[in-house]
Amino acid sequence: GDSVTQMEGPVTLSEEAFLTINCTYTATGYPSLFWYVQYPGEGLQLLLKATKADDKGSNKGFEATYRKETTSFHLEKGSVQVSDSAVYFCALIRSGSARQLTFGSGTQLTVLP
Amino acid sequence: DSGVTQTPKHLITATGQRVTLRCSPRSGDLSVYWYQQSLDQGLQFLIHYYNGEERAKGNILERFSAQQFPDLHSELNLSSLELGDSALYFCASSVSGTGDSPLHFGNGTRLTVT
Repeated sequence: GDSVTQMEGPVTLSEEAFLTINCTYTATGYPSLFWYVQYPGEGLQLLLKATKADDKGSNKGFEATYRKETTSFHLEKGSVQVSDSAVYFCALIRSGSARQLTFGSGTQLTVLP
Repeated sequence: DSGVTQTPKHLITATGQRVTLRCSPRSGDLSVYWYQQSLDQGLQFLIHYYNGEERAKGNILERFSAQQFPDLHSELNLSSLELGDSALYFCASSVSGTGDSPLHFGNGTRLTVT
């Protein structure tokens, strides 16, 4: 079945450091890929998405590129802020699926001032 | 604010009991999804309803059931509760049941079974 594998957390960075959170997936067909962010006490919010190979999703300084050859969708940000501290989830929806998101295990990010 | 409302925010109950979690989707959204988030299982898809009809089932136990009402709100019923059912239960809604419309998540109901 479909699966998403994220790098283990927690990740702790200093403010203005470069962030990479690795995400790889296994799915049949051509899934759409997503990054969701969960702030403490809140639900998940869509951060960015990419729907086909080589697409780059971007939002709030975060970027991720859909790499079909490596089945990856790594999240990057050039300069993190304290306010970026949250849990980040990589997810996919298989093409043709009734929108059942398959999530990775989540990566806790803490940014220190 | 996602526009998805879940009640209650917290629920504490005993093993063997039954509870009902409620979700009001964003205005105009026809689809409602339920997810369970636990420390050991992560985020698991439970069930999807579209305009009152069940569309898909995921890892939902037989002790759990859901429905979507004509006004599009949804309820998740959990019965014969066990300690392992303690988790955060999220509802999400979207405009359609397929395609690229994004899912909007509520803030969840935290269920504690003692």
